[in-house]
Amino acid sequence: DTGVSQDPRHKITKRGQNVTFRCDPISEHNRLYWYRQTLGQGPEFLTYFQNEAQLEKSRLLSDRFSAERPKGSFSTLEIQRTEQGDSAMYLCASSLLLVGGNSPLHFGNGTRLTVT
Amino acid sequence: EDQVTQSPEALRLQEGESSSLNCSYTVSGLRGLFWYRQDPGKGPEFLFTLYSAGEEKEKERLKATLTKKESFLHITAPKPEDSATYLCAVHSYSGNTGKLIFGQGTTLQVKP
Repeated sequence: DTGVSQDPRHKITKRGQNVTFRCDPISEHNRLYWYRQTLGQGPEFLTYFQNEAQLEKSRLLSDRFSAERPKGSFSTLEIQRTEQGDSAMYLCASSLLLVGGNSPLHFGNGTRLTVT
Repeated sequence: EDQVTQSPEALRLQEGESSSLNCSYTVSGLRGLFWYRQDPGKGPEFLFTLYSAGEEKEKERLKATLTKKESFLHITAPKPEDSATYLCAVHSYSGNTGKLIFGQGTTLQVKP
């Protein structure tokens, strides 16, 4: 079990720049989630994929955010024209849809974004 | 709207001093309640899933219980390595995405 892998672990960028993060889920998992976590808070849901289809987006996900999951494997999260308020930990999680329900979400170690 | 509230926000214990963490929730229909542990700079690590009131799960010094309105994470004789943030999350029947709604967490510090 290689777990959920995220890259990079840390990203420092200047306001106005674009950034892209990558997530490689557990290989047999068909569901993939992006969450955002700020200091002292729990993770907040951003968006969700089942296979390659993006099925839900949070109101938190402004037009500057876009996520893809080509071929239902890895996923990317892009933030355009970054703002200081985008500074946070971006977490990716994956799970397996089973007949009886969903397996627990398994999280990666996140990408820490700092916008200066 | 589904909501999860955890208390206390922070808890300091001496090694061996047992205590409980609380997770109160309001959901349109509970599919599952999850407990996670999060160490600094890392992603949440799955601990337990509870599905119905009265259910209990145990793992080493941790025991999770569930009622219709709240869940407790009991920590018996904690050790310094139990220091972490403990997150509670719910999966509700509103939607079928499997997404979790998290509380803000309880940060536990266990002193030797």
